[in-house]
Amino acid sequence: EDQVTQSPEALRLQEGESSSLNCSYTVSGLRGLFWYRQDPGKGPEFLFTLYSAGEEKEKERLKATLTKKESFLHITAPKPEDSATYLCAVQAAGGATNKLIFGTGTLLAVQP
Amino acid sequence: GAGVSQSPRYKVAKRGQDVALRCDPISGHVSLFWYQQALGQGPEFLTYFQNEAQLDKSGLPSDRFFAERPEGSVSTLKIQRTQQEDSAVYLCASSSYINEQFFGPGTRLTVL
Repeated sequence: EDQVTQSPEALRLQEGESSSLNCSYTVSGLRGLFWYRQDPGKGPEFLFTLYSAGEEKEKERLKATLTKKESFLHITAPKPEDSATYLCAVQAAGGATNKLIFGTGTLLAVQP
Repeated sequence: GAGVSQSPRYKVAKRGQDVALRCDPISGHVSLFWYQQALGQGPEFLTYFQNEAQLDKSGLPSDRFFAERPEGSVSTLKIQRTQQEDSAVYLCASSSYINEQFFGPGTRLTVL
């Protein structure tokens, strides 16, 4: 069964304190791995798509990396405005659907 | 903006009532998805349309849930005889032929 596990469930950082969020996955064949940011009361906001092991993508203070079993979202020198829930999702290869299978997310709080 | 829009944003229903939730996807996006998000959880797939064709409805939790997209643009998710366990945020997402799915703000359904 395709599955996504995110850790930690919650993370509290001081402003400027870099850290990483983990996303472990099992999928029959990976079409893509996605990172989203979700603020309270809003829909998920697209951040990155990764397609193959070794791939990396960056956006401002965020960098996403991918291996065959997990992905990391590295946050460098975070600011309070980076506080949100970060969701990881996988899309399995094959089949008629492009549905996303999500983890439960990591709730990040960055304190000034 | 030209993002995904959903209405209503909030819906309160009495147990047993029928509800209809609307999604306006990004113009030109052929794929449309519905997800259900319980509090503190990641979104869970409900159903998928490519243009007007419903290609996957494997995530619909019961036959009380019905979705349509008759002209390949706007979609409606209908829930008949609502139950308390239907209380959740219902998210709509759309995508073009590229994989990234863009989400709307969601409809928060509360069943009393």
